[in-house]
Amino acid sequence: EADIYQTPRYLVIGTGKKITLECSQTMGHDKMYWYQQDPGMELHLIHYSYGVNSTEKGDLSSESTVSRIRTEHFPLTLESARPSHTSQYLCASSEPGTGANYGYTFGSGTRLTVV
Amino acid sequence: QKEVEQDPGPLSVPEGAIVSLNCTYSNSAFQYFMWYRQYSRKGPELLMYTYSSGNKEDGRFTAQVDKSSKYISLFIRDSQPSDTATYLCAAVFISGNTPLVFGKGTRLSVIA
Repeated sequence: EADIYQTPRYLVIGTGKKITLECSQTMGHDKMYWYQQDPGMELHLIHYSYGVNSTEKGDLSSESTVSRIRTEHFPLTLESARPSHTSQYLCASSEPGTGANYGYTFGSGTRLTVV
Repeated sequence: QKEVEQDPGPLSVPEGAIVSLNCTYSNSAFQYFMWYRQYSRKGPELLMYTYSSGNKEDGRFTAQVDKSSKYISLFIRDSQPSDTATYLCAAVFISGNTPLVFGKGTRLSVIA
C-alpha cells in the first residue's frame, strides 16, 4: 500500500489551462520533492520543501509553483499549461536525519498530456 | 559536467547473468550513496544505500563504493527477468540538507 499518493494518475488538458497536481503523504515526512521525468529519461528536480511554509526551486522550476501549508500536502500548480509541459510528474518525500533516512519514497506519478 | 554520471545503456543480458551497473561522481564531499530501481511507468523505489566506502549485500544485490576513484557500483547476481527496470544511482552530502543528486539511470533488460 502506497504511503505517498498522487492524483490524478493521468490528465489530458488543453493549452492555457491552470492545473494543480496533488501529492499527499501519510508518513509525517518533513521533506518533499517534485520531479519531472520524460519517458526513459532522467529525473529533473522542479521544487522541494523541507517543512511547512518552506519551498525551494530546483533545476527546472520555471512556469510552476508549489505550496506547503500542511506537512502532508505538497501540490504543484501550472498556471498556464503548454504542450512542452507534457511529461510524468513524480512526487517524493523523505525524513530528516541521517543514513537510510535520506532515501526517498516516490509516488506513482501523474502522467500529464497537454494538447 | 554532471555531479553524478551514469551510462544510460540500454543493457541487455540473458537470465542468470551477473550484471554490473556503474556510476562516477565528481564531488568528494558526497558521503551517502543509493541505488533506486524504477519499473516502467512507476516511481523509483529505494533498493540499497551505502555510507562512504565499502560493500553492502542484500540477497542477489551488492552495492559497492570506492571513494578513492569516486566510483559507485551495483552488482546483480543470477539476474531474473523481473530485474528488468531502470536503475538510478544517487549521492548526497552527510548533512542531508540538499536534495539527492541522481544519475540519469541505466535501462536493464534481462532476457529469459
